[in-house]
Amino acid sequence: AQRVTQPEKLLSVFKGAPVELKCNYSYSGSPELFWYVQYSRQRLQLLLRHISRESIKGFTADLNKGETSFHLKKPFAQEEDSAMYYCALSPISSGSARQLTFGSGTQLTVLP
Amino acid sequence: EAQVTQNPRYLITVTGKKLTVTCSQNMNHEYMSWYRQDPGLGLRQIYYSMNVEVTDKGDVPEGYKVSRKEKRNFPLILESPSPNQTSLYFCASTRLGRAGKDYGYTFGSGTRLTVV
Repeated sequence: AQRVTQPEKLLSVFKGAPVELKCNYSYSGSPELFWYVQYSRQRLQLLLRHISRESIKGFTADLNKGETSFHLKKPFAQEEDSAMYYCALSPISSGSARQLTFGSGTQLTVLP
Repeated sequence: EAQVTQNPRYLITVTGKKLTVTCSQNMNHEYMSWYRQDPGLGLRQIYYSMNVEVTDKGDVPEGYKVSRKEKRNFPLILESPSPNQTSLYFCASTRLGRAGKDYGYTFGSGTRLTVV
């Protein structure tokens, strides 16, 4: 069974400081990893996926298979980054049920 | 506009009174899913569907039913709601690509359900 762990429920940083949201996963096969973001009173939105190696809104995330981690990073946090962030895992396999498993989320607050 | 639409946005009901939360997507996605979001527990999958007439249980299916008679619609049915089903519910959909390609989910705006 797959599992996603986000060890920090709450994280506060000052504007302009670097931020790292931790995500660890357990899965026996090859996973696809995602970060979703939920701004206050809005729906979840896909922030980025590891397979496309993209940078969205200054955020990046690198899949580390050795440490089974997919931490989300941004060098200079902005107040508008304040939101709930979810790490999610989808198994890669033919005929996959696409059971996207979410972590419990980290509430990021960027202080002025 | 490509979107997933859920209705209603807010619902207060009494224990035991059957209710349906509707979900509709206009992107011709094969895959649809229901999640509930609870503080400290994140999102947990209730049911999912890989195509018309194909549904399966997620992690927390007890007390819920779904149907997928048409590709665009995936209603969530609570036959006899109980207070522990008070939660924020999200519907999501995605394309089913070839193995190794996941397009990411599009989420609805959520339904906040209170069962008293």
